[in-house]
Amino acid sequence: DAGITQSPRHKVTETGTPVTLRCHQTENHRYMYWYRQDPGHGLRLIHYSYGVKDTDKGEVSDGYSVSRSKTEDFLLTLESATSSQTSVYFCAISVRQADGYTFGSGTRLTVV
Amino acid sequence: DAKTTQPPSMDCAEGRAANLPCNHSTISGNEYVYWYRQIHSQGPQYIIHGLKNNETNEMASLIITEDRKSSTLILPHATLRDTAVYYCIVRVDRNAGGTSYGKLTFGQGTILTVHP
Repeated sequence: DAGITQSPRHKVTETGTPVTLRCHQTENHRYMYWYRQDPGHGLRLIHYSYGVKDTDKGEVSDGYSVSRSKTEDFLLTLESATSSQTSVYFCAISVRQADGYTFGSGTRLTVV
Repeated sequence: DAKTTQPPSMDCAEGRAANLPCNHSTISGNEYVYWYRQIHSQGPQYIIHGLKNNETNEMASLIITEDRKSSTLILPHATLRDTAVYYCIVRVDRNAGGTSYGKLTFGQGTILTVHP
């Protein structure tokens, strides 16, 4: 979607290695979110951010950390990737929490 | 959290209105109903949301019953590009670390197939 970019689009990594996914926005939106999507589970919130250096956990945060050092970038890090973290990861942004979210195109991560 | 129930799949002829139902009988008074859709392999796309009143935008209309226990998303003139999975979501505010965030829980949704 225009204004939000995720990188990389695809990644294959080995179990036990650290991985960082990047979400970049050009909309200057305050709120940013990381979701993962798995068959049978829908989209589940991992972490979210409500401002620079302000982040908090979602419902499936174990094994993940995030950082937001500037408004436009929200990084998701898998400290030590496991096969259960194989998923499609989506970043989303919003101006206010009550607004609809704009989602990125996703990152397909495979942990082997 | 209020749960939503949607039919797993629906069909619609191109050019006709697509009416997608959603039940949310346990919704609370301050919970909004959101609709998103996801076209294969893409990120979800926001469509519309509402609280009590009916809402309309350039994409769709949202009809919420007076008791708020169900709603219907209406695509007035469906096209082939409207083929997607449509999610009805009740947005719950959650407090975490002293702040609140809008938790969106995506269920299985309705697979809408628009036929020529």
